[in-house]
Amino acid sequence: QVELVESGGGVVQPGTSLRLSCAASGFIFSSYNMHWVRQSPGKGLEWVALIWYNGGNTFFADSVKGRFTIFRDNSKDTLFLQMNSLGVQDTAVYYCGRDSPSGGIDVWGQGTTVTVSS
Amino acid sequence: QSALTQPASVSGSPGQSITISCTGTNSDIGSYDFVSWYQQHPGEAPTLMIYDVRNRPSGVSSRFSGSKSGSSASLTISGLQPEDEADYYCAFHTSLTTMFGGGTKVTV
Repeated sequence: QVELVESGGGVVQPGTSLRLSCAASGFIFSSYNMHWVRQSPGKGLEWVALIWYNGGNTFFADSVKGRFTIFRDNSKDTLFLQMNSLGVQDTAVYYCGRDSPSGGIDVWGQGTTVTVSS
Repeated sequence: QSALTQPASVSGSPGQSITISCTGTNSDIGSYDFVSWYQQHPGEAPTLMIYDVRNRPSGVSSRFSGSKSGSSASLTISGLQPEDEADYYCAFHTSLTTMFGGGTKVTV
């Protein structure tokens, strides 16, 4: 079945880095654009980043631009989010999601939790 | 692009219909049909309920319907059921970015 599984979350100190992974299965990963979306505790959904199917283009929310990088390894069906210079405002559950050609994000992972705290 | 505006909460009784609004601008919702709706139960990942304003993915109940007028989109839940109690988010997607609304808590 179609599935996305995130990993790599944890508790880190401000100013440090973390890399999240999203393993895809059950579909042709290299054919789909992919998103990262986050949700801070008790808050709403916030779009973080988008990467096109071939990795040729990437786009970021203003809140993470210059600090986060999104990339993918289509040979391993895996999406990544490299997060640098983390701040307490980056504390959230991070979800990866598949961009549907028909519209919307039609497949979501279960999320991985990132806590930035001193 | 600024955030989309949703009411913080909407409530209804079982069997009733409710409508959640999502207000954007002439530059986003007012110009394109790239509006989606997501349902999120506590502790779970979001689920796509409506895409491109009014289309339902396979498996989504026909009790959920979407529409648009001007720069506002709406999600209507008919025949409200206890399991519909959740947070609902609208979103505007382009090939470059995505913008979410603040979310609406639906209480049944």
